[in-house]
Amino acid sequence: NAGVTQTPKFRILKIGQSMTLQCTQDMNHNYMYWYRQDPGMGLKLIYYSVGAGITDKGEVPNGYNVSRSTTEDFPLRLELAAPSQTSVYFCASSPPAHGHGYTFGSGTRLTVV
Amino acid sequence: GESVGLHLPTLSVQEGDNSIINCAYSNSASDYFIWYKQESGKGPQFIIDIRSNMDKRQGQRVTVLLNKTVKHLSLQIAATQPGDSAVYFCAENKDGGTSYGKLTFGQGTILTVHP
Repeated sequence: NAGVTQTPKFRILKIGQSMTLQCTQDMNHNYMYWYRQDPGMGLKLIYYSVGAGITDKGEVPNGYNVSRSTTEDFPLRLELAAPSQTSVYFCASSPPAHGHGYTFGSGTRLTVV
Repeated sequence: GESVGLHLPTLSVQEGDNSIINCAYSNSASDYFIWYKQESGKGPQFIIDIRSNMDKRQGQRVTVLLNKTVKHLSLQIAATQPGDSAVYFCAENKDGGTSYGKLTFGQGTILTVHP
């Protein structure tokens, strides 16, 4: 099992550019999440999804969009990148019940210059 | 807003000692708590969790204690090893309903284990 796979691992964007961060999981988890982690800080929830076709905003959704067309994939779209979006982005997934933890990907380090 | 926070940002211990990492939470409605370990350049790794109907839960070398009266959570690591060096985060969630999955993370504690 690969778990949660994120691509790319690193990316440098210029202000105003756009990109999609890819996330896929092979555990058949219903729930998927996108978090961002700023230096020295904990993770903040951007968007989450409880199943294919269903998405909802988290704590810091502005500047991002998501889609969930399949159970496996949950891409995060950045439109008009800004320096404030420089961060490490983590995708995670979980089954619809507590007690199993959340499985995180290894992260995408994004720098906007 | 409500948040989860940590008392100590750094903790240094000697190999073989026991470590205690603390966390304060302010949302009295939270009923599920998780501790994560994050090594440099990696995603958070699940360590142990506890529901609010429990005071204590033990895993392999780790114990989580929950004091709902003072809204305090702690992670105890027995016989700390150099491989335990990492940043440790507590996270909380209100079980069930529309809040499921919306984990709120604390700032993190850096644990350094000296050989």
